[in-house]
Amino acid sequence: DADVTQTPRNRITKTGKRIMLECSQTKGHDRMYWYRQDPGLGLRLIYYSFDVKDINKGEISDGYSVSRQAQAKFSLSLESAIPNQTALYFCATSESGMAEAFFGQGTRLTVV
Amino acid sequence: QKEVEQDPGPLSVPEGAIVSLNCTYSNSAFQYFMWYRQYSRKGPELLMYTYSSGNKEDGRFTAQVDKSSKYISLFIRDSQPSDSATYLCAKLDNYGQNFVFGPGTRLSVLP
Repeated sequence: DADVTQTPRNRITKTGKRIMLECSQTKGHDRMYWYRQDPGLGLRLIYYSFDVKDINKGEISDGYSVSRQAQAKFSLSLESAIPNQTALYFCATSESGMAEAFFGQGTRLTVV
Repeated sequence: QKEVEQDPGPLSVPEGAIVSLNCTYSNSAFQYFMWYRQYSRKGPELLMYTYSSGNKEDGRFTAQVDKSSKYISLFIRDSQPSDSATYLCAKLDNYGQNFVFGPGTRLSVLP
């Protein structure tokens, strides 16, 4: 089983719908991140959390929200999806004091 | 100006060629630089990291940092078709808390 698991792997949704992307990890890391990846723009940070009670906005948080339900779980929500949010979304984890990020397999989200 | 810039390619080379991938960065409070490799439909994986200027070698891969010119390079010797992937350079942000990625260079090694 993957250390960082994202569900769903693919999702097509309609404009205006609420959608949640889920991430769980078995690495025991305290830090978790959500990124989106777009062609030519690379990985951009949406939100990050350094522990269960710590949530921080990243570079592009507008239109997104997150919840850190437990150390191992970090979910990303789009309250009202728009086509501009069509992208590949990655969850990542890292351990405090260690500068390496471990990524999930990604969720391909299409908003029509 | 983005903190990390990278030529997106695509770059195509014949098998066995030496590949040079490059990035430039604009801020460098933390001298920690990384190269990630991302295969199609997969998440990025750390390939190499380096803490300072100079070279770091790992098998066919060499990472090089030139702090004076703010240049990061990855060299791949004897490139293989299995090296075909997108390569992303990254650094820590100025607070040492988050990772800042370049847009990635897509590499194809042709048999």
